[in-house]
Amino acid sequence: EVQLVESGGGLVQPGGSLRLSCAASGFSLSSNWMSWVRQAPGKGLESVANIRQDGSEKFYADSVKGRFTISRDNARNSVYLQMNSLRVDDTAIYYCARDRGGSGDFGSDLWGQGTLVTVPS
Amino acid sequence: QMTQSPSSLSASVGGRVTITCRASQSVSTYVNWYQQKPGQAPKLLINAASTLQSGVPSRFSGSRSGTDFTLTINSLQPEDCATYYCQQSYSNPYTFGQGTRLE
Repeated sequence: EVQLVESGGGLVQPGGSLRLSCAASGFSLSSNWMSWVRQAPGKGLESVANIRQDGSEKFYADSVKGRFTISRDNARNSVYLQMNSLRVDDTAIYYCARDRGGSGDFGSDLWGQGTLVTVPS
Repeated sequence: QMTQSPSSLSASVGGRVTITCRASQSVSTYVNWYQQKPGQAPKLLINAASTLQSGVPSRFSGSRSGTDFTLTINSLQPEDCATYYCQQSYSNPYTFGQGTRLE
């Protein structure tokens, strides 16, 4: 079955760190840009970061720049999101998504089920 | 920046609705539309402004006029109750509209 499975979410204190993982199965993610998208409770979608097929290009939302790092291991068919200096407003469900098109600019056609990150006040 | 409207709307089964997103600058045709139901991940409905994804009912359609993009749903069905988001994928970081809740 073609799917993405996120893991690594949980409860972390402000200022703490967490590493999210996204494992692909049923396909090789080495041909795709990959993205992390988050959704705060009751709020809309926010693109957090995305990464080129070979990892040579990475982009971040201004809200996480300098604190979050996206990476990938094509041999392990996985993508990661290292989150440092976590803040209360980072509380959200974090989704991993596969981007369509060679440049990743034709939308995200496969999403994981999401993993919840909670940073309490 | 994608400005989406309305934030919510109510319609009847068999009816028609339109949701609009306005881009703050040219994004060519790099706009995608998603449907999200409660407790689920988003689902890609339309990409490149008007290309319907495989398996998506033909009652969904997308169009573009300059920097204005529209999602139209005809012959509304009960299962269309959801929140809809536009997204620009013209320049990184990609950005979403605020969402439209359809009841």
